[in-house]
Amino acid sequence: KAGVTQTPRYLIKTRGQQVTLSCSPISGHRSVSWYQQTPGQGLQFLFEYFSETQRNKGNFPGRFSGRQFSNSRSEMNVSTLELGDSALYLCASSQSQGPQETQYFGPGTRLLVL
Amino acid sequence: AQSVTQLGSHVSVSEGALVLLRCNYSSSVPPYLFWYVQYPNQGLQLLLKYTSAATLVKGINGFEAEFKKSETSFHLTKPSAHMSDAAEYFCAVSANAGGTSYGKLTFGQGTILTVHP
Repeated sequence: KAGVTQTPRYLIKTRGQQVTLSCSPISGHRSVSWYQQTPGQGLQFLFEYFSETQRNKGNFPGRFSGRQFSNSRSEMNVSTLELGDSALYLCASSQSQGPQETQYFGPGTRLLVL
Repeated sequence: AQSVTQLGSHVSVSEGALVLLRCNYSSSVPPYLFWYVQYPNQGLQLLLKYTSAATLVKGINGFEAEFKKSETSFHLTKPSAHMSDAAEYFCAVSANAGGTSYGKLTFGQGTILTVHP
């Protein structure tokens, strides 16, 4: 099976712009989670989607949003970009719901905000 | 709420030496614990996970970890380090805590492992 894919891999934006990142989960996986990774804050949970429904959300401002489509592909959007949004954004998929489920990570999208 | 503490942001070992990366967790309900590895410019790869079936968990690349409830620990070990083990390692916890836990892994700050020839 193909792994989790994320596009684009690299992105440069300027402050105030918005950005959309895409994630395609492993075939058959229905849960998609998003994480932000920065040197200062480490890996932080953004949100999780299962069957097109957001079930959980981390402590991020409303500028961060996401959605999931019927084929389980997911997108996250960040509006009004700030310098502090520069980070590696990781998407992970799991087969089903449940805390015991293994999350499989994609390679990430590295976002640089200038 | 869950939390993870990884003791030591940097660990350096010689090739062939024992690798020990420390992880302590906090959870109000029985936890599920994971170790992931991240190589530069890559995502996270699962090394192993604890799901209460056995306290000693064997993973890929010769790594293993032991769940010790009394010590709230889940330390990662490998008997003999290889140069290819150099990477950053993350311990993570998830738990069945209702709606606040769906799809959420809580990570430690990571430990960078350096292997010297």
